[in-house]
Amino acid sequence: EPEVTQTPSHQVTQMGQEVILRCVPISNHLYFYWYRQILGQKVEFLVSFYNNEISEKSEIFDDQFSVERPDGSNFTLKIRSTKLEDSAMYFCATSQGNTDTQYFGPGTRLTVL
Amino acid sequence: RKEVEQDPGPFNVPEGATVAFNCTYSNSASQSFFWYRQDCRKEPKLLMSVYSSGNEDGRFTAQLNRASQYISLLIRDSKLSDSATYLCVVTPLMDTGRRALTFGSGTRLQVQP
Repeated sequence: EPEVTQTPSHQVTQMGQEVILRCVPISNHLYFYWYRQILGQKVEFLVSFYNNEISEKSEIFDDQFSVERPDGSNFTLKIRSTKLEDSAMYFCATSQGNTDTQYFGPGTRLTVL
Repeated sequence: RKEVEQDPGPFNVPEGATVAFNCTYSNSASQSFFWYRQDCRKEPKLLMSVYSSGNEDGRFTAQLNRASQYISLLIRDSKLSDSATYLCVVTPLMDTGRRALTFGSGTRLQVQP
């Protein structure tokens, strides 16, 4: 069964550093999403992406965050200058159409020190 | 008021028991409803979609009451492997068809031998 993959599985960084989280969507999926889950809290929507542009973003997704699909394969989330409160699990999700089921990747655990 | 509200539990039940979870949502414009399952430190996985007519998948039955803005999940004949956190998820079908998932905080189920 096709799966969404994410790398790295765990990223440790110093506050103020830039991080890039990577996701490889399921091959025929066209809609891409990032969610995050702070330890012990609920899963929260960050951003959705379709046709090489952001289609929706939440209040969490401020100027420190950006997304792109640089090579037609990977879908990346960049955090420019990480803060302690960015420590969380970041999940990529993809769907075939915008009304279809979203399939989640295994997540990247980001720890900001 | 939280957008999606769930009893956090934990629900501790013996193997073979029947257990029911409830969820309420605040946005009457919500159009799609799901139950996801999340194991500890893993990604959410779709358990089932929830339809107005109610639907069943093996031991799992989901019901939706739009008038009361209430969703339920019934698990019959609980197995040890059912131990997980069950996430109630809704999505508004906005006029642009955006599909950001809104998650509840989850209800933890522990099935005991």
